[in-house]
Amino acid sequence: DAKTTQPTSMDCAEGRAANLPCNHSTISGNEYVYWYRQIHSQGPQYIIHGLKNNETNEMASLIITEDRKSSTLILPHATLRDTAVYYCIVRFNNNDMRFGAGTRLTVKP
Amino acid sequence: DSGVTQTPKHLITATGQRVTLRCSPRSGDLSVYWYQQSLDQGLQFLIQYYNGEERAKGNILERFSAQQFPDLHSELNLSSLELGDSALYFCASSVFDRGNSPLHFGNGTRLTVT
Repeated sequence: DAKTTQPTSMDCAEGRAANLPCNHSTISGNEYVYWYRQIHSQGPQYIIHGLKNNETNEMASLIITEDRKSSTLILPHATLRDTAVYYCIVRFNNNDMRFGAGTRLTVKP
Repeated sequence: DSGVTQTPKHLITATGQRVTLRCSPRSGDLSVYWYQQSLDQGLQFLIQYYNGEERAKGNILERFSAQQFPDLHSELNLSSLELGDSALYFCASSVFDRGNSPLHFGNGTRLTVT
């Protein structure tokens, strides 16, 4: 599976959009981009995933560039409860999922 | 609530002992995954089962073993425990149908080895 690169940490003001970037320049055509988050020591929570097209659900939007070498997770109106470590993962089919270090997002009042 | 149930939530044991962690996947999910998360390391993939068969192995120590039973629940066995095995152990499950299905994680078992 392709590797991903994420910033170590980011801050966001409460109520503003949080845009979390991820680089995956070695992604191959059949690999999906997944986003998870982990709040404190809870189990990782699935957020969203996509292959080529932009995706949106009740939690977030996923924007994948046309060349698929990078993506952005958007939390449209961040709240304090969105403070967490966010993981971007590239995964082939139903293989196991390998987590990197992620981005620690802090939402500030 | 992800629908994945892990028991026990907390476990304290001594070095050299053996423990068993249990995972019940979401209803309908055929694949189970085990992960370890210690303080100084991120989420490390250990092993994956699909419908009772081992499918993929990660950085799982020889002292650790797992299985998935006919009712699809899974157990992770940790033996000859060392202080460094203290960690959070997460189980996840997925449907594993065609295409790509997300993993859904339980809330983990916190193991403390003293």
